[in-house]
Formats: sequence, structure tokens, C-alpha cells
Amino acid sequence: QVQLQESGPGLVKPSQTLSLTCTVSGGSINSGSYYWSWIRQPAGKGLEWIGRIYTSGSTNYNPSLKSRVTISVDTSKNQFSLKLSSVTAADTAVYYCARAPSGGPGTDWFDPWGQGTLVTVSS
Amino acid sequence: SYVLTQPPSVSVAPGKTARITCGGNNIGSKSVHWYQQKPGQAPVLVIYYDSDRPSGIPERFSGSNSGNTATLTISRVEAGDEADYYCQVWDSSSDQSVFGTGTKVTVL
Repeated sequence: QVQLQESGPGLVKPSQTLSLTCTVSGGSINSGSYYWSWIRQPAGKGLEWIGRIYTSGSTNYNPSLKSRVTISVDTSKNQFSLKLSSVTAADTAVYYCARAPSGGPGTDWFDPWGQGTLVTVSS
Repeated sequence: SYVLTQPPSVSVAPGKTARITCGGNNIGSKSVHWYQQKPGQAPVLVIYYDSDRPSGIPERFSGSNSGNTATLTISRVEAGDEADYYCQVWDSSSDQSVFGTGTKVTVL
């Protein structure tokens, strides 16, 4: 059973770059046809999709974050990563990684999810 | 961008039926997925492809989607169903995934 685990600094200073990694266990990130996504949730608020990557390296990003986001994949480590630049307090949130099938239109549900990691932007 | 609107809250007595709506322009033409999120936990997929249930999700959870509204129905509600629920679709016009605003289900 595939499991995902987020890791990275819990505190980032304003204007700096937030960097997180999601480690996939219980299966190869290269096996099957899946997208690997990042999703965030500010405290007390709803879910916001950040972006996704296919193991080929192709990406899609939330247009509202696109100028600041980079998602990459390292198949040798069975990991994918998120970089969010020029962060502000508004980027403080719990960040989740998740897997979605890539079987065609509509096959984009997220399952499973990582447990999430809180990132606070503060000086 | 595509907007999904959910009622902020739904209250239901134990044993009754809860219906959570997700409104979007012509949402019936999209596949809708639903997630349950309990406090301090990651979301869990409860419905995909409008009405399919992942393994391990009780039959009490069902979904439908038509016109401008998708609906998650929880039958014979239990105290353990108290959680936030989110709908989600892929918006092909902007190539992004979109979540609904979320609904807090309270079991009275």
C-alpha cells in the first residue's frame, strides 16, 4: 500500500523560498500512471491545489501560484518536491502531497494523501 | 476560473440523512470527487467518479451529479461522520484541480 510523507522546514522567513519533499513508500513513483500533487490548507480554511507532476516531468500549476511554484521529481529517490518562492504570511498553511491517477478525463481524484506538514512563514 | 460552491454547514440528527451539495457551472459534465476531513487529519477520499466508493468506505456514502449540482449523501448518519467535506473537479479549461469551499457536517 502506497504511503506518502512530507518533510521540510516548518519555519520559513518572508521573501525566502519554501522547500518541501514528499517521499513515496510502498511502491515506485515510476510504476503505473499517476500524477503527484501538492495541496495546501491554511488554518481554518479550505483546500487549495498547488500543482502536479507526472513522472515524465510534465507539470500543471495553479494559475494563481504559477509564477512562484516549481514541482520536480527524483525517481531515483522515489520523491517529488515543491518549491514556492517569495513567500509571505499568506503562504502559511499545512502542505499535503497526494497521488492521483492519470487515466484520462475525470480520473484525477487524490488518494492517498500524506499526513501533511505545517509551514509557517514568519521572521 | 471554475468555482465550486458548498453550503458552509449542514446539521443532521443521528440516523437521518445528510445531503451536501456542490454547485458549479454545468458540473454534470465533469467528474466529481468527495473528501472527508476530520480535525487534525488529512482528507480521505469517500467518493470518486461522481458515485463510486473506494474500498473501505461504507455504503452509507453515495454521490450523484447532474446539471449544475453534485450531491454527497450520507445515510443513517453516525457521530463518526462529523467532519468537513470537500468536493473536487478537474477544470480542463484552465488545466487545474479545483476544490469546493467545504461543508462542515455536525451531528446533533
